[in-house]
Parts: sequence; structure tokens; C-alpha cells
Amino acid sequence: GAVVSQHPSWVICKSGTSVKIECRSLDFQATTMFWYRQFPKQSLMLMATSNEGSKATYEQGVEKDKFLINHASLTLSTLTVTSAHPEDSSFYICSARRQGHEQYFGPGTRLTVT
Amino acid sequence: AQSVSQHNHHVILSEAASLELGCNYSYGGTVNLFWYVQYPGQHLQLLLKYFSGDPLVKGIKGFEAEFIKSKFSFNLRKPSVQWSDTAEYFCAVKTNSGYALNFGKGTSLLVTP
Repeated sequence: GAVVSQHPSWVICKSGTSVKIECRSLDFQATTMFWYRQFPKQSLMLMATSNEGSKATYEQGVEKDKFLINHASLTLSTLTVTSAHPEDSSFYICSARRQGHEQYFGPGTRLTVT
Repeated sequence: AQSVSQHNHHVILSEAASLELGCNYSYGGTVNLFWYVQYPGQHLQLLLKYFSGDPLVKGIKGFEAEFIKSKFSFNLRKPSVQWSDTAEYFCAVKTNSGYALNFGKGTSLLVTP
């Protein structure tokens, strides 16, 4: 149990376009979902925390208008990178927290902006 | 500001060698501590966690970690590594102020046959 999926696993887009990444908790309801960004050979940096039905809480330095997060249901959160630029290329990882348990991580989405 | 430090960025060991990866954090309050592993091409998996109680925590695959509150440390250990332990290891800390995790920069472990 406690499986988190992400879609797509890899996406290439042109500069200036927007990309949506989905994060789903497959077998549990996630009260909270988190979005992280991981640069090559570096740690995960928390971007934002989202609770179902409410606005996401962004970490300092993360542009909320650029990284739109929607947590429409207890099993789905989406991250939309708007007007993507090459510097947005990265590995985006979501995690989902089950009530009373730790976070479970998705496999990540590699975004390449050309 | 809170921070998590992992002292070793790259570690190379031969099979059967013992492993100890350092992790220190800076936070004065109550913390929950985690070690995650990321095998090549795979997602993060929880190795072990400490919330309270016995400071020596045993996890999966023969890993263990010891929480030393006075040293703000949570070092990961394994008495005898295997080639399959080759992976990236991340220490993470959760404070009582929320559910988000603060990660260390990670340690890349390469185990040679």
C-alpha cells in the first residue's frame, strides 16, 4: 500500500509553454501533498505544501504564479509550470502524506525545457 | 534557519565493509528524523525513522541509525554493505511546526564488488 504515482515521468517542452504534472495517491487519501524540486546530484528542495481544497503554501523564493499548484481532491495534486524556461529544467518530485503516517514519494518527473 | 548537513558527499566502499553516514541538524526543538534511499532510476524510499523512544532505530535491509540528541546527530550505519546498496542516501528532518521535510544534500554511495 501507500503508492504515489506521477505523470508524466518525463516531459520535454519548448520555452514559453506550460506543462502540467500530476501526482496521485493510488491507494490512500492524502490530506497533504508536497512538491519538491531536485537538481542533479543535489538534495530535494521543498517548493510548496498543498492541502486538499485550500491554497498551497509556497516556500520562500518559489514563485507561486509560475508554479501553480492545485489540490482538487484527496488523491490528486497538480503542478503547472507556466511559461517554462530552460532554468526550470529539473526533476520534480511529489509526496503525499497519509493521515498519521509519514510521506510517501512519487517517482518524479523530469522536465526538460528547450 | 533550520539545516540538515550530511558530511560525506561521495563514499566508495568494498562489499562487506562497514558503513557510517553522518547527519547533523540544526534545530532546537522536537524533531522527527528520517533516512531515505534513492536507488538509480527509482523513487525515494524510507529506510528508517525516529520519532521518539529508543534512540537506536532499526530499518529495512539491515540499516540502523542512532539519534544522539546532545550532538544533534542521526548517523546511518550498516555493518556489512552489499553491491545492491549502491544508491543516494538522504537524511531528512521534520519539525513540529509542520509536515514538510528538510533534506540534507545527500550522500552518494558506491559499493564495489
